[in-house]
Amino acid sequence: EAQVTQNPRYLITVTGKKLTVTCSQNMNHEYMSWYRQDPGLGLRQIYYSMNVEVTDKGDVPEGYKVSRKEKRNFPLILESPSPNQTSLYFCASSLSTDSDEQFFGPGTRLTVL
Amino acid sequence: SQQGEEDPQALSIQEGENATMNCSYKTSINNLQWYRQNSGRGLVHLILIRSNEREKHSGRLRVTLDTSKKSSSLLITASRAADTASYFCATDLYSSASKIIFGSGTRLSIRP
Repeated sequence: EAQVTQNPRYLITVTGKKLTVTCSQNMNHEYMSWYRQDPGLGLRQIYYSMNVEVTDKGDVPEGYKVSRKEKRNFPLILESPSPNQTSLYFCASSLSTDSDEQFFGPGTRLTVL
Repeated sequence: SQQGEEDPQALSIQEGENATMNCSYKTSINNLQWYRQNSGRGLVHLILIRSNEREKHSGRLRVTLDTSKKSSSLLITASRAADTASYFCATDLYSSASKIIFGSGTRLSIRP
């Protein structure tokens, strides 16, 4: 089944404790992206990747890192999480950057205490 | 900064009625997409309209795009209870097609 998977789905952590949210797609998509969703703000793009070893900042990259060592994986890293990073995070992928439809993962609800 | 802004923020209609949602954006785009999100779940792509298109249909969905007004509308005809969801428009930027910007969404409720 073609899908985007994210792990973990739920995470409660404390300020400053490094964490990684994994994202994997099995559709051989070139483009992958991370978003955060907060009430009243819609989805805001954190980072995106046009292909392996190519990443770029979205609208809200501060406090996040990403890597794209393999085509299928695009992990989101929070080196030192803070409470303002409490949010619902979505990973998405699409065939190319020419704005094909994006396929979204199920989301990761992160709480930073 | 928000590129797309949906209007209204919330909409409640009777089952069987039509629902219209609007999206406005600020800068030139290559295309505009509409997505649906059921409560707390991942978004599902509905339809994409390119900047050189004015109207597009998909089943009960009709999307229009007016690039001169920098606006788009999504019409759902003959609404059903299952259409209850949040709807988002998403635009790329003409100068950077890789960057995708979502609006804040319209919450649609269908009353039985």
